[in-house]
Amino acid sequence: DTAVSQTPKYLVTQMGNDKSIKCEQNLGHDTMYWYKQDSKKFLKIMFSYNNKELIINETVPNRFSPKSPDKAHLNLHINSLELGDSAVYFCASSRGTVGAFFGQGTRLTVV
Amino acid sequence: GENVEQHPSTLSVQEGDSAVIKCTYSDSASNYFPWYKQELGKRPQLIIDIRSNVGEKKDQRIAVTLNKTAKHFSLHITETQPEDSAVYFCAAIYGNNRLAFGKGNQVVVIP
Repeated sequence: DTAVSQTPKYLVTQMGNDKSIKCEQNLGHDTMYWYKQDSKKFLKIMFSYNNKELIINETVPNRFSPKSPDKAHLNLHINSLELGDSAVYFCASSRGTVGAFFGQGTRLTVV
Repeated sequence: GENVEQHPSTLSVQEGDSAVIKCTYSDSASNYFPWYKQELGKRPQLIIDIRSNVGEKKDQRIAVTLNKTAKHFSLHITETQPEDSAVYFCAAIYGNNRLAFGKGNQVVVIP
């Protein structure tokens, strides 16, 4: 039973395309996140949702739009993909002020 | 600001020796400080955490210490083994459950 699962694991796409990454958690957590990990391994928070409400929205281009249909899901849609969007995107979830559990990551390559 | 600083960037140790990674946090951090281990190509995984009401916590070969006065916390790995080779991230929770990460330390255990 995967606690936090995201799909797809790999995504290769051309510049200008629109793509989505899906995330689901079965831990009953109330907070979900999207993180971006670049080639230098920095983990940078992008968005955070608590009980389906957006609570953190970092300085991220508005081409990135998160959507949380319910507490167990947080999807990430990216419009007009650019080369600089290439990275590994991690979904995570947590309950209250406890460390987050991460999904397996989606390696996005924009060509 | 809400940031976590982590040094050194790369740490090489002989198998069997100890490794120590130190992080500092800014004033506004809450009382919860987790550590994550990320092996190559895998997700970050929570390995140990500490709350500010204790100064030290141990779990087998790993321990974390917290110095609230100096605002730093450290990860100690004793009797290092090759499988300890990974990137280690410290983190702290800020307002809105923002889980902010340090930049990571690459630990290399030399057999």
